Amino acid sequence: QSVLTQPPSASGTPGQRVTISCSGSSSNIGSNNVNWYQQLPGTAPKLLIYTNNQRPSGVPDRFSGSRSGTSASLAISGLQSDDEADYYCAAWDDSLNGVVFGGGTKLTVL
Amino acid sequence: EVQLVESGGGLVQPGGSLRLSCAASGFTFSSNSMNWVRQAPGKGLEWVSYISGSSSTRYYADSVRGRFTVSRDNAKNSLYLQMNSLRAEDTAVYYCARWYEYSSSSGLGYWGQGTLVTVSS
Repeated sequence: QSVLTQPPSASGTPGQRVTISCSGSSSNIGSNNVNWYQQLPGTAPKLLIYTNNQRPSGVPDRFSGSRSGTSASLAISGLQSDDEADYYCAAWDDSLNGVVFGGGTKLTVL
Repeated sequence: EVQLVESGGGLVQPGGSLRLSCAASGFTFSSNSMNWVRQAPGKGLEWVSYISGSSSTRYYADSVRGRFTVSRDNAKNSLYLQMNSLRAEDTAVYYCARWYEYSSSSGLGYWGQGTLVTVSS
């Protein structure tokens, strides 16, 4: 059971906009920034969004993040076939003194 | 260019020990805290351990505390994870990772390719 809660799956058609939610608590998302990772099959995770809504260099602006209270969300607009991947949210947890991850959301592009 | 290269994974029997290494390059290693993250086959990501640049602060996940020890050698630009009393549930790909900037707020921006640890008799 992951500390952060994400839907196990999401889907959309090419060009569509999809959102993935991430729910936590006061000790993690409620008091610390949220980061999002994309993991393609057989590869290491890649930082997609950091500090709630910032994109590392090279990440397209089709990807955006937000945080409110103890929840966060990742939005992907103009969905493309190579966006098909697993997406994880994460945040530092002040009670556990460590990074907590969501269980991951498998995105399928129909 | 930041590079992180893990090594030391392999097959080990339950109750056994293994030491993972992570060779870092392309940045000032001693100024950066580091983390270990693992991923069991077909499962999600699980943070394992954190160590500050000076080694003065170390944190562990509850699942490994008392069995795993994180350490580093700044002179060798290397990070280590000593794993003792290994269990089947420790089977995973282990990644070393660095913050994108200088704190947890910025997320884990740099990852190694991972090394597979299999605990089985």
